[in-house]
Amino acid sequence: DIQLTQSPSTLSASVGDRVTITCRASQNINRWLAWYQQKPGKAPNLLIYKASSLESGVPSRFSGSGSGTEFTLTISSLQPGDFATYFCQQYNSYTLYSFGQGTKLDI
Amino acid sequence: QVQLQESGPGLVKPSETLTLTCSVSGASITSGTYSWSWVRQAAGKGLEWIGHIYPSGTTNYKPSLKSRVTISIDTSKNQFSLSLTSVTAADTAIYFCARDSGTLGNWGQGARVTVSA
Repeated sequence: DIQLTQSPSTLSASVGDRVTITCRASQNINRWLAWYQQKPGKAPNLLIYKASSLESGVPSRFSGSGSGTEFTLTISSLQPGDFATYFCQQYNSYTLYSFGQGTKLDI
Repeated sequence: QVQLQESGPGLVKPSETLTLTCSVSGASITSGTYSWSWVRQAAGKGLEWIGHIYPSGTTNYKPSLKSRVTISIDTSKNQFSLSLTSVTAADTAIYFCARDSGTLGNWGQGARVTVSA
């Protein structure tokens, strides 16, 4: 199984800050990585697919980069609604997916 | 706009079988190249992919759950279902269904399932 490790687990920031979350894969997953935002009591929401492609309707302050085993999600200028938990997910094999453990972004 | 809705018992006894159904509206479950996934999340924990099914009936499951999981599809009802046998307290979680193209772009709101006697 491919393991995904996110860092940090918790991130404290303020409105207007630029923040970066890292996701490391235990083996090469090319660019088959997605990022999700989840708010309490809600289902996850897809932000980024194929490492750097922005899902329709997602604000451009969100961006993704990376390939192989190391990936980042960057939020360029935090807005109040961005305080949530973020998960990465690999789909290198369409027969077995896995998620990172999550990064909680709080004030 | 595709919508998904989970349904099923909120309480299941230990050793029994958990069964949930996901009803899909706004799109045919057989359209496109999508598969249909189940994901769960224990309280305060991360997301765990359980498995998925293609309209053809082909399934893939997380290896550690494979012996207990069955995902089935009913194209006539535009629904797919999850069956998890021999449940324990460790299976207590919110269960989500999602439309799957590798990424999970559309999700249900989630169904909370508690395993308790």
